[in-house]
Amino acid sequence: KAGVTQTPRYLIKTRGQQVTLSCSPISGHRSVSWYQQTPGQGLQFLFEYFSETQRNKGNFPGRFSGRQFSNSRSEMNVSTLELGDSALYLCASSLVAAISYEQYFGPGTRLTVT
Amino acid sequence: GESVGLHLPTLSVQEGDNSIINCAYSNSASDYFIWYKQESGKGPQFIIDIRSNMDKRQGQRVTVLLNKTVKHLSLQIAATQPGDSAVYFCAENMENRDDKIIFGKGTRLHILP
Repeated sequence: KAGVTQTPRYLIKTRGQQVTLSCSPISGHRSVSWYQQTPGQGLQFLFEYFSETQRNKGNFPGRFSGRQFSNSRSEMNVSTLELGDSALYLCASSLVAAISYEQYFGPGTRLTVT
Repeated sequence: GESVGLHLPTLSVQEGDNSIINCAYSNSASDYFIWYKQESGKGPQFIIDIRSNMDKRQGQRVTVLLNKTVKHLSLQIAATQPGDSAVYFCAENMENRDDKIIFGKGTRLHILP
């Protein structure tokens, strides 16, 4: 069974631009969660989608948004990029809901904002 | 995915010895705890979980211990192997935060030959 895939793997953007990251969950998984990983803050929860609906949201500004499609694929968007948005963005999928079930993480998208 | 690297505590263990990685959690209301392993260039990988109504759970070569009195979680890895080199994160589910998973900062496990 193919794992979680994320595209692109690496991205360089400049301040003020916007970016869209993509995540394809494991086949049959309906929950997709997004995390931001930085050296200073570690892994922080962004949001979780389940059956095309945002089920949970972390403490991030409205510049961070996401969506999920009917095939469970998910995208996250960051508008008006800031230097502090440079991070590894990880997507995780699980069969039902993120909590209390095993999450399977993708390799991440490394975003660098200059 | 590169692991968080700059300010992580590091545990160095001789190959073949047992490793114990510790984690303190903050919320006594947390009812679910998870250990993840993150190797260089990869995303975190689920290792083992434990619910708050248990104090010990064993997997293959790994054991998780939960001490609710002092809000402490530990991961024991038996007969540590070179492939165990990674950053290990504990995570907790806090019910009063809408079921979000909160990750610890991580510990880097370094295996000595």
